[in-house]
Amino acid sequence: DTEVTQTPKHLVMGMTNKKSLKCEQHMGHRAMYWYKQKAKKPPELMFVYSYEKLSINESVPSRFSPECPNSSLLNLHLHALQPEDSALYLCASSQSTHLPETQYFGPGTRLLVL
Amino acid sequence: GESVGLHLPTLSVQEGDNSIINCAYSNSASDYFIWYKQESGKGPQFIIDIRSNMDKRQGQRVTVLLNKTVKHLSLQIAATQPGDSAVYFCAENMEGGSEKLVFGKGTKLTVNP
Repeated sequence: DTEVTQTPKHLVMGMTNKKSLKCEQHMGHRAMYWYKQKAKKPPELMFVYSYEKLSINESVPSRFSPECPNSSLLNLHLHALQPEDSALYLCASSQSTHLPETQYFGPGTRLLVL
Repeated sequence: GESVGLHLPTLSVQEGDNSIINCAYSNSASDYFIWYKQESGKGPQFIIDIRSNMDKRQGQRVTVLLNKTVKHLSLQIAATQPGDSAVYFCAENMEGGSEKLVFGKGTKLTVNP
C-alpha cells in the first residue's frame, strides 16, 4: 500500500479565514513533505519533516504553518492567505531522508483564496 | 523543447506507438532520479526510478535511461495506451538524502486512439 490521503479535496477561503489541510499515511514512513503546485508548473517544495521534526523550510511565508502531530499525520495551517496562494497543495511521504528514497504523493488539496 | 510561459512541452503519439520523453537535469551531483506521471486533478504517481550508478532500468512497459555525461534522462513507454495520457515529470535528488527533490518542467503526453 503506497497511499497518502489528503483532506479536504477542495477548499475555498477568504483572505481573513483560518483553515487547515490534513495529510495522513500509514506506510511507516518517517519523512513527510508539503509541496505547492501552480497550474501547468511542477511541484515546488515547501516543507520537510523528518522523524516529526521540521528539517527544511524553503523560505515559505509565515502565513503557512506546518505541524507534524505524529509520524502518520501532517497538517498545514493557513492564515491570512493571498489570492496568489491559490494552488494545488500536495503532501508526500518517504521512508526516511537519510538515503535517496521514492516520495509518494497524495491527491492534493485544491485551494482557492478569494 | 523548453516550455515558455504557461505552455508545457507536448508530445502527441498514436496508440500502440512507443513514446520517448526527455529531461535535462541540472546538478551533476544528483544521485537519484524519479519519473512521475500526473493525470489531470491528481497527485504525481511514481513510475520508475534510477540511481546514478546505473544507466538503464526497465519496468513494465517503461524504461528509464540515464546519461550522466550530458545530464540527460529519458523515459520510454512501449505500446503507448490512451491511459498513458498525462503530464510526465522527471525529478532529481539534489543532495545525499531524499529531502530535496527538484522537478523538471514536465511534458504533456497525449495518446490518440
